[in-house]
Amino acid sequence: DVKVTQSSRYLVKRTGEKVFLECVQDMDHENMFWYRQDPGLGLRLIYFSYDVKMKEKGDIPEGYSVSREKKERFSLILESASTNQTSMYLCASSLRTGSYEQYFGPGTRLTVT
Amino acid sequence: AQSVSQHNHHVILSEAASLELGCNYSYGGTVNLFWYVQYPGQHLQLLLKYFSGDPLVKGIKGFEAEFIKSKFSFNLRKPSVQWSDTAEYFCAAASGSSNTGKLIFGQGTTLQVKP
Repeated sequence: DVKVTQSSRYLVKRTGEKVFLECVQDMDHENMFWYRQDPGLGLRLIYFSYDVKMKEKGDIPEGYSVSREKKERFSLILESASTNQTSMYLCASSLRTGSYEQYFGPGTRLTVT
Repeated sequence: AQSVSQHNHHVILSEAASLELGCNYSYGGTVNLFWYVQYPGQHLQLLLKYFSGDPLVKGIKGFEAEFIKSKFSFNLRKPSVQWSDTAEYFCAAASGSSNTGKLIFGQGTTLQVKP
């Protein structure tokens, strides 16, 4: 079974703090993704990576950056957290070819106060 | 622009009722389609997928979906829902010719099944 793990289930940070969200997958997938999930808005893609050190902006990259130094690990960074970044953050991974089925982690609920 | 639209945002059914959740997509060319489900407190998991062949696909837990190319639709169905089907359901699509595997998700439908 594919396993995608995220470093925290719940996180509370203060405005202006730098926040790191970590994601690790164990199935040697090339693609990794970061989404945020908000009620009524579905899942919105923040960034994705299709290879080590490669990244592309998704639909809502403002205020975020990412890092992928190793194939299995994809980090999301909030340089200076703001209250409008309070959300559920989901990480996913998939193979580069095939059906593009994505496998999701449990999510991190981030609250910025 | 590519998009996925789910018509129903919140659906309430009684147990044993039939379910149909609408999903329409806007894509050129071939498309891969998915339904994901998120049970309360759990992570998103794949319910079913279509990328070629028989347009009627069957998934886990008695769910099925029909790909109707002429209507750009991929509606999810279940003949008889159970209380345990209470969850949020997401439709998603990827370009069949994509080299990135990006999915675009619909807004989600919350299904509440009353016992």
